[in-house]
Amino acid sequence: NAGVTQTPKFQVLKTGQSMTLQCAQDMNHNSMYWYRQDPGMGLRLIYYSASEGTTDKGEVPNGYNVSRLNKREFSLRLESAAPSQTSVYFCASARTGAVSGANVLTFGAGSRLTVL
Amino acid sequence: SQKIEQNSEALNIQEGKTATLTCNYTNYSPAYLQWYRQDPGRGPVFLLLIRENEKEKRKERLKVTFDTTLKQSLFHITASQPADSATYLCAIRTNTGTASKLTFGTGTRLQVTL
Repeated sequence: NAGVTQTPKFQVLKTGQSMTLQCAQDMNHNSMYWYRQDPGMGLRLIYYSASEGTTDKGEVPNGYNVSRLNKREFSLRLESAAPSQTSVYFCASARTGAVSGANVLTFGAGSRLTVL
Repeated sequence: SQKIEQNSEALNIQEGKTATLTCNYTNYSPAYLQWYRQDPGRGPVFLLLIRENEKEKRKERLKVTFDTTLKQSLFHITASQPADSATYLCAIRTNTGTASKLTFGTGTRLQVTL
């Protein structure tokens, strides 16, 4: 069982370039999330998707877009990368998006992005 | 404003001792709180979940307490081992409409030495 798979693992971009981080889960989870992790800031939620066909902004959505392509896949796009977007990005999924449910997250291994 | 606070300084303890990590939160009323472990270069891994009506939860050498009056959770590792060295994150669920999301603390790095 692969769990949550993220690609690429590493990427270097120049300011203004665009790119898409891919995420796929094989656990039949409803909810999917994108976080970024920076030293001293912890994990901050960028966007999430409670179910297929829905997406919502998290704490730090500016400069990003997402697509919930189907139940398995949730991609994060940087349209015009900026040095402030240098970070480690984590995708995660959870079994339920219900308000009353307990969301236990399964994380991918992370994608390290550097914007020069 | 809402905050989840964990000690940003690393906790250094000797093998065999009990490690205690603290998670304090303000302006939340969480139905449950979670603890995750993160090793360098890897994603966080879920360890334990404790609900608001539970005072204590145990799993092998791990113990979590949850005091909704103090707005604090304590995470204990008994008989600690060098393999327990990692960063430990607490997380609280916050609800928005019909969706649900987890907000994380910044984590505390634990270093267990021989």
